[in-house]
Amino acid sequence: QLQLQESGPGLVKPSETLSLTCTVSGGSISSSSYYWGWIRQPPGKGLEWIGSIYYSGSTYYNPSLKSRVTISVDTSKNQFSLKLSSVTAADTAVYYCARGVNYYDSSGYHLLNRGPDYWGQGTLVTVSS
Amino acid sequence: QLVLTQSPSASASLGASVKLTCTLSSGHSSYAIAWHQQQPEKGPRYLMKLNSDGSHSKGDGIPDRFSGSSSGAERYLTISSLQSEDEADYYCQTWGTGIHWVFGGGTKLTVL
Repeated sequence: QLQLQESGPGLVKPSETLSLTCTVSGGSISSSSYYWGWIRQPPGKGLEWIGSIYYSGSTYYNPSLKSRVTISVDTSKNQFSLKLSSVTAADTAVYYCARGVNYYDSSGYHLLNRGPDYWGQGTLVTVSS
Repeated sequence: QLVLTQSPSASASLGASVKLTCTLSSGHSSYAIAWHQQQPEKGPRYLMKLNSDGSHSKGDGIPDRFSGSSSGAERYLTISSLQSEDEADYYCQTWGTGIHWVFGGGTKLTVL
């Protein structure tokens, strides 16, 4: 059974960088069938996609966060990580990692990803001095 | 712009059925979506992928009580024989070109 587990500091000071790691067990992060993503949920609000990464290191980011986000992968540890810089109170949220499923469109040339089929349990990050 | 719209809340009685709606933005009526369930104080769980023709494929261990259907730009999640553990937030989600995930605002389901 695939499991994803987020880890990292629960408290980050304003203007600093939030850093989280997702450890994948029960499956390989190096599979060509998946992208691996980060999603967040501010308290009492909905879900927001942050970005996704392929095992080769190819990344896609939410345009609204792109200037502050870096996602990286460490295939030797079966982990991927999130860095969000210059955080403010608005970045306080539960952060989830997830596995997204790849497929090719009808032309057979364009790789798409239909989103999460497995999620981590989430970790709360509070931005406060 | 690819947007998903959901009603903020819904309610139904224990043992009854409920149909939740997710509406795709104009020009995107052919898109498939996914449904995810988030029980209180838990992470989301993938329920199913739902195509524009109403065909759907469910995640591991999802009960038969959960089903999906489609009509035009609307995607539905029907839960039959409601149980107390079905009280949760339900999110629809779709994806754009490239790798880009879009979530609806979620529907909070109350089981009476």
